[in-house]
Amino acid sequence: DQQVKQNSPSLSVQEGRISILNCDYTNSMFDYFLWYKKYPAEGPTFLISISSIKDKNEDGRFTVFLNKSAKHLSLHIVPSQPGDSAVYFCAASGRWAGGYQKVTFGIGTKLQVIP
Amino acid sequence: ETGVTQTPRHLVMGMTNKKSLKCEQHLGHNAMYWYKQSAKKPLELMFVYSLEERVENNSVPSRFSPECPNSSHLFLHLHTLQPEDSALYLCASSQERVGETQYFGPGTRLLVL
Repeated sequence: DQQVKQNSPSLSVQEGRISILNCDYTNSMFDYFLWYKKYPAEGPTFLISISSIKDKNEDGRFTVFLNKSAKHLSLHIVPSQPGDSAVYFCAASGRWAGGYQKVTFGIGTKLQVIP
Repeated sequence: ETGVTQTPRHLVMGMTNKKSLKCEQHLGHNAMYWYKQSAKKPLELMFVYSLEERVENNSVPSRFSPECPNSSHLFLHLHTLQPEDSALYLCASSQERVGETQYFGPGTRLLVL
């Protein structure tokens, strides 16, 4: 059972426009949410995160929104640039039995920004 | 070297071979992880080591055997693998605190023939 879902496998956006990537989760025990970006032949790199006590976090062109009641988060990239073309993973973090921090990843959304 | 490094980057092995994947982190972190990424599937957590002690073995078959000799190094020993084990194997490290992000290595692309 997937606890973190990214229902759009791919997204194409024109350069300069807004990219919106969506993510849903099922487990209310998650207390931290993260977005990672992955280029081919590289490992995922951390992009932005948000604590469950907040509803928005902004870092330059990247903003993450969290709607706890809907168990939904989204990543907004504006303006989108061709270099943003990558696979974006949504991840949720929570402290599990055993006391350690466990991160659960979504399947990823491939973003293509068209020049 | 900085960050998280993994060797080899690519590996082809037969089902009867024994090989090892190596991961090294230069970030002073105290937790290390092995993930498996198969096509069209989420990253699957395989093993977690916190303070060099294994704290999670996510029902991984015994043909995968991890080793963490110190907080900077992590190995994944492979033996008698199956073709369905072909995947990208990613190592990550982090500080064991709430909200700490994981830093990933580039991965080892494994093909089992």
